[in-house]
Amino acid sequence: AQKVTQAQTEISVVEKEDVTLDCVYETRDTTYYLFWYKQPPSGELVFLIRRNSFDEQNEISGRYSWNFQKSTSSFNFTITASQVVDSAVYFCALSDAGGTSYGKLTFGQGTILTVHP
Amino acid sequence: NAGVTQTPKFRVLKTGQSMTLLCAQDMNHEYMYWYRQDPGMGLRLIHYSVGEGTTAKGEVPDGYNVSRLKKQNFLLGLESAAPSQTSVYFCASSYWAGVSTDTQYFGPGTRLTVL
Repeated sequence: AQKVTQAQTEISVVEKEDVTLDCVYETRDTTYYLFWYKQPPSGELVFLIRRNSFDEQNEISGRYSWNFQKSTSSFNFTITASQVVDSAVYFCALSDAGGTSYGKLTFGQGTILTVHP
Repeated sequence: NAGVTQTPKFRVLKTGQSMTLLCAQDMNHEYMYWYRQDPGMGLRLIHYSVGEGTTAKGEVPDGYNVSRLKKQNFLLGLESAAPSQTSVYFCASSYWAGVSTDTQYFGPGTRLTVL
């Protein structure tokens, strides 16, 4: 069975600090996808990134960066120079890439990030 | 292009009442999903559908039924609501990209309270 663990329940930082959200996953599948979603206070789920298990290159998008390490089964998310608008719940998720998985997502518990001005 | 929409946005039910949540997508996606979100537990899959007329159980299907009579719609039903079904319900859809399923896109959610 698949499992995603986000050990940090809540993180509080002051604006402009860097913050890293941890994600550890378990799967028996050799091919899978990892995701991060953001849930701002308004409640919707916003897709941030999708990473194939074959692609271990780190990715950067503006102030966001992701570190995928297959050896430790981790897919961590770093926000550089955090801003108040980054305050949200962040979810890490996993899905098997095989056709019979039908893209079903297994989510972590979520990390509540609060950025103080 | 509205993406994924959900009706209603909020609902309060009494124990034992029934209701149907409607999810609609205009992206011609084959796959649709219903999740529930509870504090500290992330999102958990209730049911999903891989095409019109087909449905399957997810991780937490008990107490729910679903139907997909049209490709664009996925209905979630509660026949006899219980307080344990108080939650935020999210619908999502995705398409088959030929080799694997593409990213899921989520609706805005329905906040359901069962008294």
